[in-house]
Amino acid sequence: DAGVTQSPTHLIKTRGQHVTLRCSPISGHKSVSWYQQVLGQGPQFIFQYYEKEERGRGNFPDRFSARQFPNYSSELNVNALLLGDSALYLCASTPLGRLAGGKTQYFGPGTRLLVL
Amino acid sequence: GENVEQHPSTLSVQEGDSAVIKCTYSDSASNYFPWYKQELGKRPQLIIDIRSNVGEKKDQRIAVTLNKTAKHFSLHITETQPEDSAVYFCGDNNAGGTSYGKLTFGQGTILTVHP
Repeated sequence: DAGVTQSPTHLIKTRGQHVTLRCSPISGHKSVSWYQQVLGQGPQFIFQYYEKEERGRGNFPDRFSARQFPNYSSELNVNALLLGDSALYLCASTPLGRLAGGKTQYFGPGTRLLVL
Repeated sequence: GENVEQHPSTLSVQEGDSAVIKCTYSDSASNYFPWYKQELGKRPQLIIDIRSNVGEKKDQRIAVTLNKTAKHFSLHITETQPEDSAVYFCGDNNAGGTSYGKLTFGQGTILTVHP
């Protein structure tokens, strides 16, 4: 079975631009969470989506948005990019919604974003 | 919000020695505690997890202990090998909370195992 996939693997943008990152969860997994990992730190929670609805949001500005599609894949959008947005963006999938709490989150390989 | 403190930030051991990493959490409602291993340039991979209804879990050379009263949990790696060298992250989750898909991570521990 394929694991969590993300695209693109690497991306270079300039300040003020916007970016769209994509994630496909493991087949059968309905919950997707997004994390930002700055170099040298642990992943920071951005969003969780389940059944196309936002179920949780971390402490990130409104420039960050996301959505989930009927096939459970997800997009993370970041507008008006800042230098500080440079990070590894990780997507994680879990099999169930409310029961996702306490369930293993499987991470994708991440998208490495560099903002110049 | 929830806070997870992880120590030490770096840990250097000789091959065959044991390694212990400790995390302290703040949310008394947290009830799921995973440990992830992240090798350079790769995704975090779950190595072991524990739920709040047990105090200890072991899987071969890896074990995790949980003290809910003190709100801390620890990762124990015995008979360390050079391939154990990586960054280790602890996490916690409140399965009954509103953000039930949210893991809060510690800052990470760089483990180096010297041959």
